[in-house]
Amino acid sequence: DTAVSQTPKYLVTQMGNDKSIKCEQNLGHDTMYWYKQDSKKFLKIMFSYNNKELIINETVPNRFSPKSPDKAHLNLHINSLELGDSAVYFCASSQERLAYEQYFGPGTRLTVT
Amino acid sequence: QKEVEQNSGPLSVPEGAIASLNCTYSDRGSQSFFWYRQYSGKSPELIMSIYSNGDKEDGRFTAQLNKASQYVSLLIRDSQPSDSATYLCAVISRDSSYKLIFGSGTRLLVRP
Repeated sequence: DTAVSQTPKYLVTQMGNDKSIKCEQNLGHDTMYWYKQDSKKFLKIMFSYNNKELIINETVPNRFSPKSPDKAHLNLHINSLELGDSAVYFCASSQERLAYEQYFGPGTRLTVT
Repeated sequence: QKEVEQNSGPLSVPEGAIASLNCTYSDRGSQSFFWYRQYSGKSPELIMSIYSNGDKEDGRFTAQLNKASQYVSLLIRDSQPSDSATYLCAVISRDSSYKLIFGSGTRLLVRP
């Protein structure tokens, strides 16, 4: 059983489009995260939700909007995609709010052309 | 100064040798330290966590923490070609509002 899953695995789209990435965890964790890993492999947190409450909101363009319908799901919607949005986006979860051990999903490779 | 610094490598070691990966961090208030392994095209996988000064061993892996020197390391004994990956150091601190801050990773190559 996959603990943290993401869909789609690959996403190729054109500039200006709107797209969503979905994440689900079956670990029973309370907290979920979105990270962005750029071409230099630098991994940086974007958002975090704890029991559907937004607790971390980094300085990212407001074209990025997370949504958590329940504590097992965290989606990321991106409006008006730009070339610089091309990256791998990872979802992660942890047992508690800001708990230390985080477990990552397989990633979504987004390519904006 | 970057919050978490690692040498990008690659660090090349022969099979069977000890690989030593190092990480320094800037916030003295850092509390928790992690090593993640990331194979090319895959997601980060948590392999070690350490919270207090000293050594922590788990199989072939040993994490070492020295808070006075703001230094954390990962030793991999009896390195195998399957250990070839990028190793990410990550730190949680009050300064970062308890967010997990990653270093840029060290690429390890284990030569058969």
